[in-house]
Amino acid sequence: AQTVTQSQPEMSVQEAETVTLSCTYDTSENNYYLFWYKQPPSRQMILVIRQEAYKQQNATENRFSVNFQKAAKSFSLKISDSQLGDTAMYFCALLSNFGNEKLTFGTGTRLTIIP
Amino acid sequence: DAGVIQSPRHEVTEMGQEVTLRCKPISGHNSLFWYRQTMMRGLELLIYFNNNVPIDDSGMPEDRFSAKMPNASFSTLKIQPSEPRDSAVYFCASGRYEQYFGPGTRLTVT
Repeated sequence: AQTVTQSQPEMSVQEAETVTLSCTYDTSENNYYLFWYKQPPSRQMILVIRQEAYKQQNATENRFSVNFQKAAKSFSLKISDSQLGDTAMYFCALLSNFGNEKLTFGTGTRLTIIP
Repeated sequence: DAGVIQSPRHEVTEMGQEVTLRCKPISGHNSLFWYRQTMMRGLELLIYFNNNVPIDDSGMPEDRFSAKMPNASFSTLKIQPSEPRDSAVYFCASGRYEQYFGPGTRLTVT
């Protein structure tokens, strides 16, 4: 079975600062994908970034980047130059069984950007 | 691309009534997923389809819930009869190794 743990229920940061959200996971598979999803107050689930486990290079999407530590089973999300629109719930998710495409989600971190 | 389309966006119904939620996946996506989100239970996968065939329905809470995908561009999730504990936001997502979510349907059963 696979698990995803987000140990920070809530975080807040000043606008323009950098913030890092933590995620740890567990799977017995060697190949898997990891994702970060953003859910703003509009409740739309938005895919932010994806990391394939076989890739050593950390994924980056504009102000969003990840720190993927495969041995430690850690997958943190860094948001640089945070903006008010980054205020949202952030979910870490794992896809580790490609025969069954079910995502395993963490419980989420509520991030508030303070003006 | 219009993204995943869900209807209705909001539904308010009385206990015992039938509720049908609809989803149009992104064209070309072979997999479709139905999720339910509540404060208490978080995000739960109810069922998913691949090439219109149900692959895993282990998350469907009980027989009152049913889902169909008659073709590659349409799926429904039906609750009959509805109960207050079914109140939640229901999401449809499509994709395969990356899932793209629709805007959700907020269901309130009174």
